[in-house]
Amino acid sequence: GENVEQHPSTLSVQEGDSAVIKCTYSDSASNYFPWYKQELGKGPQLIIDIRSNVGEKKDQRIAVTLNKTAKHFSLHITETQPEDSAVYFCAASQTGANNLFFGTGTRLTVIP
Amino acid sequence: DTAVSQTPKYLVTQMGNDKSIKCEQNLGHDTMYWYKQDSKKFLKIMFSYNNKELIINETVPNRFSPKSPDKAHLNLHINSLELGDSAVYFCASSLLAGEQFFGPGTRLTVL
Repeated sequence: GENVEQHPSTLSVQEGDSAVIKCTYSDSASNYFPWYKQELGKGPQLIIDIRSNVGEKKDQRIAVTLNKTAKHFSLHITETQPEDSAVYFCAASQTGANNLFFGTGTRLTVIP
Repeated sequence: DTAVSQTPKYLVTQMGNDKSIKCEQNLGHDTMYWYKQDSKKFLKIMFSYNNKELIINETVPNRFSPKSPDKAHLNLHINSLELGDSAVYFCASSLLAGEQFFGPGTRLTVL
């Protein structure tokens, strides 16, 4: 099955700085890579996703990049704000399959 | 307004008891899921139902039995609860292979 690794496990940045979270996956058949944000006491919420026919995708201050050859993808958050503080999860799956394999999560703290 | 709702939010029970967690979605989705999040925040899928039929059943003890009475509901029944079952359980829903929307979670504590 798919194995998704995520680094770092914790990340602290100053407000206004950028944050980068990296994930690797093992199954070359995976072609859908969502990122979820989980705030304290809530369920994960999708913030951005990318499919393997695309190398980069942006949505305002967040962007995701995908390197299919190296089997890794990354989340980039620019101009971080305190409300970005949360646990972020990457995931991988095959399109048409509903089985999302999650990374182990990154706790991001943005220091005002 | 609630898209995916779960009840109860907290569940504290003794080892050996049987308990159920209910999930409902009002998004018109045809696929529903149960995930387990352990104390280290690791999220792992347990079950997935599409149009009331089981499509994913990961390696989960048979003490866990999902029930889907209709497309909008997926309940989770757990028999003979064990200490290791303590976790947060999330329900989610989606259109088949679409974005998954998660519920707020049910924190289960087994004493």
